[in-house]
Amino acid sequence: DIRLTQSPSSLSASVGDRVTITCRASQSISSYLNWYQQRPGKAPKLLINTASNLQSGVPSRFIGRGSGTDFTLTISGLQPEDFATYYCQQSFDTPRLTFGGGTKVEIK
Amino acid sequence: QVQLVESGGGVVQPGRSLRLSCAASGFTFKRHGMHWVRQTPGKGLEWVAVMSHDGSKKYYLDSVEGRFTISRDNSKNTLYLQMNSLRAEDTAVYYCVRDSGDIVLTPAAAYGMDVWGQGTTVTVSS
Repeated sequence: DIRLTQSPSSLSASVGDRVTITCRASQSISSYLNWYQQRPGKAPKLLINTASNLQSGVPSRFIGRGSGTDFTLTISGLQPEDFATYYCQQSFDTPRLTFGGGTKVEIK
Repeated sequence: QVQLVESGGGVVQPGRSLRLSCAASGFTFKRHGMHWVRQTPGKGLEWVAVMSHDGSKKYYLDSVEGRFTISRDNSKNTLYLQMNSLRAEDTAVYYCVRDSGDIVLTPAAAYGMDVWGQGTTVTVSS
């Protein structure tokens, strides 16, 4: 199975900050990498598909980049509603889908 | 609006069975592949099973293969997960999730899993 390692596992930031989350795959997955946001007590929500394509309705401050084994999710100008846990998920080794361990973005 | 509503969770003893249901509304259910994904505090998010839009393809996580069965009834817009021989490690919140594609023409989750239910909790304990 393809392992996804996210870093950091948690971070503290202030409203307006720019934050970057990294997801590293154990082997090349081309651009088959999706990002999800999960707010406390809620189900995950798809933010970005195939590494960089923003889902409809997702604010443009969310930016996904990368290919191969290294991917990033950047939030430019953190908003109060962005404090959540973020997960990456690979769909290269389909249907054996796997998720990263998550990155919790907390308020400083 | 587009919605998935799970039901059927509960507390069950090890070795027993449980069937989860997921009622879909607000979209053309028969056009989408459907997944079950579970979440535990310790293991995070874990994909469990997927079925293609027409039921012709289904795949499972290795640790549940032979114990869990995914199925769907497109006439009722409902997805199911039959869970047999339950183990303590199956304890989790189970989410019903829509694939953005059909799983036949597009690989599973190639463009993400774009609609999630609210989840139903399964606790396996004696």
